[in-house]
Amino acid sequence: ETGVTQSPTHLIKTRGQQVTLRCSSQSGHNTVSWYQQALGQGPQFIFQYYREEENGRGNFPPRFSGLQFPNYSSELNVNALELDDSALYLCASSLGVGSEAFFGQGTRLTVV
Amino acid sequence: AQSVTQPDIHITVSEGASLELRCNYSYGATPYLFWYVQSPGQGLQLLLKYFSGDTLVQGIKGFEAEFKRSQSSFNLRKPSVHWSDAAEYFCAVVADYGGSQGNLIFGKGTKLSVKP
Repeated sequence: ETGVTQSPTHLIKTRGQQVTLRCSSQSGHNTVSWYQQALGQGPQFIFQYYREEENGRGNFPPRFSGLQFPNYSSELNVNALELDDSALYLCASSLGVGSEAFFGQGTRLTVV
Repeated sequence: AQSVTQPDIHITVSEGASLELRCNYSYGATPYLFWYVQSPGQGLQLLLKYFSGDTLVQGIKGFEAEFKRSQSSFNLRKPSVHWSDAAEYFCAVVADYGGSQGNLIFGKGTKLSVKP
């Protein structure tokens, strides 16, 4: 059984650009959540997808958007990048809403 | 709003010494509580969780945590620390309302350093 995998591992983008981060959920998991972890902080919930529908959203602006595909993999898209978007982005998958979350290794995004 | 507080930003202990990392939460009902560990540049690994029942919870790598409702605490303990335990530790609670409902609210973390 494979775990949660994220790609790419590192990424450098310029302010104003757009970025797409990808996550493959653990086998059999139909729920994916995304978190942003700024340097020196705990992870903050961005949004969750359950069976291809957004199922909850934290305090992030609309330029943070996502998708979940029929195989339950997911994308996080961020438009109009700002310097403060520099962070580790973590994806977590679970068997259902509220059940134990398994985290990927994260994507380190640097905005310059 | 629900929150998790980890009062200690950085703790240093000697190898072989005991460890206690503090965690306080704000919550009305019985919370679902977690401790995660993060090594540098890595994702989060679940150490242990509390949903209900016995308030002393055993986890992986020799860690345990005790849920104390009267103190709104869920402190993490280990009787003898190993050098490989050096990492950052996060306490989290499942949000029970609002847009984050069902997802995790994390504390800011405690960085553990281990002296030889």
